[in-house]
Amino acid sequence: NAGVMQNPRHLVRRRGQEARLRCSPMKGHSHVYWYRQLPEEGLKFMVYLQKENIIDESGMPKERFSAEFPKEGPSILRIQQVVRGDSAAYFCASSHWGVSETQYFGPGTRLLVL
Amino acid sequence: AQSVTQLDSQVPVFEEAPVELRCNYSSSVSVYLFWYVQYPNQGLQLLLKYLSGSTLVKGINGFEAEFNKSQTSFHLRKPSVHISDTAEYFCAVSDQGAQKLVFGQGTRLTINP
Repeated sequence: NAGVMQNPRHLVRRRGQEARLRCSPMKGHSHVYWYRQLPEEGLKFMVYLQKENIIDESGMPKERFSAEFPKEGPSILRIQQVVRGDSAAYFCASSHWGVSETQYFGPGTRLLVL
Repeated sequence: AQSVTQLDSQVPVFEEAPVELRCNYSSSVSVYLFWYVQYPNQGLQLLLKYLSGSTLVKGINGFEAEFNKSQTSFHLRKPSVHISDTAEYFCAVSDQGAQKLVFGQGTRLTINP
């Protein structure tokens, strides 16, 4: 059973470009979470999605950031018009159910904005 | 709002020595508690979790943690560490009934030979 897959593993963007981060959950998992880890900090929750639904986006910046988890295909975290402060590691996690279920993390996408 | 405090940002220990990584949380409701380990340039791996029941939880790689409700703590321990335990350790909490994890700042465990 493959784990959580994220791609790309590393992404370099110039200021003003768009960044698209992809996450394929573990097989059979229908809950996806995105977290951001800034340098020397812990992970911060961004958004929680189920198939075709955003359940909790309380950690998402109000502008430039969006997330989706379509019926088919991976979950996508999209950052428009990136700025240097968006440089971070973005981790995706998935779980089978939701409450109390272990969240399994992917290897992360490290975004560098020049 | 929930918060998690990991009291030590760095913990250096000698190989085969015992170690305790401290974690305190604040929450007004019942919680689930987790410890994750992150090796360099990798994702997080679950070490152990407390949902209910026995307050002493055993995890992988010889780690264990004890839930102390009165002190709102969930300290991680290992009686004898190995070089391979060198990593960053994160304590996390979620409200029962919620899905998102709130993480501490992390503790960098360095094992010296």
